[in-house]
Amino acid sequence: DTEVTQTPKHLVMGMTNKKSLKCEQHMGHRAMYWYKQKAKKPPELMFVYSYEKLSINESVPSRFSPECPNSSLLNLHLHALQPEDSALYLCASSQDSSRGRRAFFGQGTRLTVV
Amino acid sequence: GENVEQHPSTLSVQEGDSAVIKCTYSDSASNYFPWYKQELGKRPQLIIDIRSNVGEKKDQRIAVTLNKTAKHFSLHITETQPEDSAVYFCAASISGNQFYFGTGTSLTVIP
Repeated sequence: DTEVTQTPKHLVMGMTNKKSLKCEQHMGHRAMYWYKQKAKKPPELMFVYSYEKLSINESVPSRFSPECPNSSLLNLHLHALQPEDSALYLCASSQDSSRGRRAFFGQGTRLTVV
Repeated sequence: GENVEQHPSTLSVQEGDSAVIKCTYSDSASNYFPWYKQELGKRPQLIIDIRSNVGEKKDQRIAVTLNKTAKHFSLHITETQPEDSAVYFCAASISGNQFYFGTGTSLTVIP
């Protein structure tokens, strides 16, 4: 089973809204990631959680706030986003964050900020 | 940091022909190289990967080769089929928790 599940699949939000993206995996993976992907571009790393602790923050604006409530769940809280934040947000997980670990992606949340 | 270049950006082949996508990386410390296939509107899907202690790996119609000295690795797809049409991303990993992606190759297989 290599399933990473993200909800919702689509989200439209206004610039003053607060929303959350959710990601879940039951593979026992201990590293979880948030990526942002614009059309026709590669995924860009935003955050990495390793053993439920934030290990990498790629200088992401504070309007994006990650949370890892437990080893199976990863959230991304959104507040006061800008239209340029519209993108596909991908969650991924791997067994852990050491070298050479395969990472599997969820199907993504297509976010539109209006 | 690591810099991954990928070529070509677009590739069209006739069904049944082979397709080759090439990537180069800059940091000799990179030791894990996955390839992802992404169909329109879908998730990147891991299709094959190779570690730096191996020069070649094959899985049915897909193969990856790695030249550590030259710092390049390639994806080979044989007997291409229309369902192989997608965007392919190579990536290189140094620490394992950070993947540096290439810019992607849009492959079209013409029936």
